[in-house]
Amino acid sequence: AQSVTQLDSQVPVFEEAPVELRCNYSSSVSVYLFWYVQYPNQGLQLLLKYLSGSTLVKGINGFEAEFNKSQTSFHLRKPSVHISDTAEYFCAVIQPTGGFKTIFGAGTRLFVKA
Amino acid sequence: EAQVTQNPRYLITVTGKKLTVTCSQNMNHEYMSWYRQDPGLGLRQIYYSMNVEVTDKGDVPEGYKVSRKEKRNFPLILESPSPNQTSLYFCASSFSGRVAGELFFGEGSRLTVL
Repeated sequence: AQSVTQLDSQVPVFEEAPVELRCNYSSSVSVYLFWYVQYPNQGLQLLLKYLSGSTLVKGINGFEAEFNKSQTSFHLRKPSVHISDTAEYFCAVIQPTGGFKTIFGAGTRLFVKA
Repeated sequence: EAQVTQNPRYLITVTGKKLTVTCSQNMNHEYMSWYRQDPGLGLRQIYYSMNVEVTDKGDVPEGYKVSRKEKRNFPLILESPSPNQTSLYFCASSFSGRVAGELFFGEGSRLTVL
């Protein structure tokens, strides 16, 4: 069965510092991978996705993620964060041959401090 | 504007009083789904629908019902709410098919059952 593990529940970081939010998944078949962001009192919106091709994926707001098949990871990175990046971030997986069920991780709350 | 609209956004009710949370999308998406979000648990799928008149259980369907009589609407029904259904609920939709995957979310409905 698929599962998604976000290794950090909270990540505090100072403004303009780099950040990495870690995500590991388990699946015996190929998957699609996503990162969503949830700003306070809002729904989730897509940051970026990996379907196939280049393993380095660039998303909105300067975020990027790298798919590592051997380590079954899809870590999210940003070289310099802003206060406005404070939000909760969710890693998610879809197994293309298994219907369209999206499995979400538990989320990582990113706090950006001035 | 492409959007998923949920109503009500906030609701306080009492145990056993039937309620319906509506969800409507204007993107002609085939796939629609309901999630509940609880602290530390991420998003868990309640029910989903691949198309009109096609619905199926997600991971936590107990205590909920859904229907999909029209493509744009996917209401969530709590026939006899209980306090353990106090949660933040999200409706989401997407296209089906090869480029499927990205979910579009509503802004959420915060439900409190006393």
